[in-house]
Amino acid sequence: EIVLTQSPATLSLSPGERATLSCRASQSVSSYLAWYQQKPGQAPRLLIYDASNRATGIPARFSGSGSGTDFTLTISSLEPEDFAVYYCQQRSNWPPGYTFGQGTKLEIK
Amino acid sequence: QITLKESGPTLVKPTQTLTLTCTFSGFSLSTSGVGVGWIRQPPGKALEWLALIYWDDDKRYSPSLKSRLTITKDTSKNQVVLTMTNMDPVDTATYYCAHVERTLEYYFDYWGQGTLVTVSS
Repeated sequence: EIVLTQSPATLSLSPGERATLSCRASQSVSSYLAWYQQKPGQAPRLLIYDASNRATGIPARFSGSGSGTDFTLTISSLEPEDFAVYYCQQRSNWPPGYTFGQGTKLEIK
Repeated sequence: QITLKESGPTLVKPTQTLTLTCTFSGFSLSTSGVGVGWIRQPPGKALEWLALIYWDDDKRYSPSLKSRLTITKDTSKNQVVLTMTNMDPVDTATYYCAHVERTLEYYFDYWGQGTLVTVSS
């Protein structure tokens, strides 16, 4: 089973700053990686799919990069509504299925 | 627009079987390239994928929970049902259902609001 490790566990930044979140896979997932944002009491929201494609309605300040085992979610200039927990997720054809990372909490400094 | 909603018991006893229903609208599970999955989240913890069923009745399960899970669909009712046997307090979580489709590479693009299931005697 593929394991996703996210770092850091918590990231403290101020509005307007740049956020860089990391996700590392235990083996190559090619570009089959997504990023989700989750706010308290809400379901997750798809931000990025296939490592670098923004989902519908996602602001351009969110960008994803990487392939193979190392991936990054970048938020270019933090807005107050961006403070939340972020999860990476991979989908694999073999073994077939999905795995989530343990999450990175982005908090206001 | 696409909506999904989970329903089922809020409290189950240890060793019982949990049955959750996902009722959706805005799409059909008879359409090629569409699927519905289940994901759970224990309080304060990370997301965990459980199972997924595709339009062609192909099914996928989490390897660690496969022996306890069954996912089925009722296309006429626009519903997907997940059963989990032998429930334990560690299975206490919010359970979500979510939509996937081929055009978005089968990632979870629409989610239900989730339903909290507590396992306790």
